[in-house]
Amino acid sequence: GEDVEQSLFLSVREGDSSVINCTYTDSSSTYLYWYKQEPGAGLQLLTYIFSNMDMKQDQRLTVLLNKKDKHLSLRIADTQTGDSAIYFCAETSGSSNTGKLIFGQGTTLQVKP
Amino acid sequence: NAGVTQTPKFQVLKTGQSMTLQCAQDMNHEYMSWYRQDPGMGLRLIHYSVGAGITDQGEVPNGYNVSRSTTEDFPLRLLSAAPSQTSVYFCASSEFLYGEQFFGPGTRLTVL
Repeated sequence: GEDVEQSLFLSVREGDSSVINCTYTDSSSTYLYWYKQEPGAGLQLLTYIFSNMDMKQDQRLTVLLNKKDKHLSLRIADTQTGDSAIYFCAETSGSSNTGKLIFGQGTTLQVKP
Repeated sequence: NAGVTQTPKFQVLKTGQSMTLQCAQDMNHEYMSWYRQDPGMGLRLIHYSVGAGITDQGEVPNGYNVSRSTTEDFPLRLLSAAPSQTSVYFCASSEFLYGEQFFGPGTRLTVL
């Protein structure tokens, strides 16, 4: 079945770059997403990428997609303490007509001052 | 726009009790979903709806019922609560099939 895997924890210093990685198994994934969850809150969409793209940049965020290896990464440049949160990778399959999201377990990003 | 709202924010139930988690959105979105979030497991889809009158099961539907009588509301019912249903529940909606999903703030449920 479909599966999305992420490492559980990443710690960086303020001002450094953060790279959060994600792998997925569904070769028919159409859209891949990065969501951010701050403590006690719901999820907020950060960015997404279509499966026919290799890279997408949005201000401090860069998403890289290696479709051959089914690997997705989120790079946050100049990481700030306000970036501390849980980051979820998610995919939805073009073979599904429901648009349902399959989420990874989430990566907790800790930013040290 | 209030976006996606959920009530209650917190709830404690005893095993065997029933309750309904409320979800409403004011964005006229067709697609609505319920997820549960458990530590180390990400979010898992419980039930979803692609429009009023249409619902279907997700990944972990057992123990939950849903209905969608209006576009705005998508309540989740627990008929006989079990400790395994202790979790944080999120409702989400989206305008398009693969569009951005907007999440509510969540309901933290504890079943004793």
